[in-house]
Amino acid sequence: KNEVEQSPQNLTAQEGEFITINCSYSVGISALHWLQQHPGGGIVSLFMLSSGKKKHGRLIATINIQEKHSSLHITASHPRDSAVYICAVRSTTSGTYKYIFGTGTRLKVLA
Amino acid sequence: DGGITQSPKYLFRKEGQNVTLSCEQNLNHDAMYWYRQDPGQGLRLIYYSQIVNDFQKGDIAEGYSVSREKKESFPLTVTSAQKNPTAFYLCASTDRITDTQYFGPGTRLTVL
Repeated sequence: KNEVEQSPQNLTAQEGEFITINCSYSVGISALHWLQQHPGGGIVSLFMLSSGKKKHGRLIATINIQEKHSSLHITASHPRDSAVYICAVRSTTSGTYKYIFGTGTRLKVLA
Repeated sequence: DGGITQSPKYLFRKEGQNVTLSCEQNLNHDAMYWYRQDPGQGLRLIYYSQIVNDFQKGDIAEGYSVSREKKESFPLTVTSAQKNPTAFYLCASTDRITDTQYFGPGTRLTVL
């Protein structure tokens, strides 16, 4: 079993829909990251969370440390949101700056 | 503009040849990483370096080597000992103050 699990693996939505991507982890963590990978391959960091909730534009990320679970929400989705969304954790046991990655959620938003 | 550059974007090599992938950053970050990405799998750590002249093996270091002679540069050599080198390779660095990882655009290596 992977230490970081994401669901769903694939998601297709209509433009304007509210989208939720989930991430569960089984290790102790000091931080959780949400990343976005576009079709060309480049990855950008969306959020770093250690507790609570963060919002940036139409993106909202939450984390529940007790439940070992995080969600990424996209409100009013748009075709340009189509990408792979990756959850990554910095484990408290894996070394100071090593990360464990989920396999990603491939999102396609249709116009 | 600050960032991470990787070159080339696409690389083709014959089986049995060593190949070196370039990674340069001008973000003044101490920590740098090399990851491999294969279809259906999460990013896997090959090597990482937390400071100049020091580096550690990641989860899949066999068949790879690195050097960290300068803070800005962290080249990865894929040797002929790597059994299945065809993959997408990503270099990254971390801002320790914000704990944000910055990724390069990646190099897609195909071994023929």
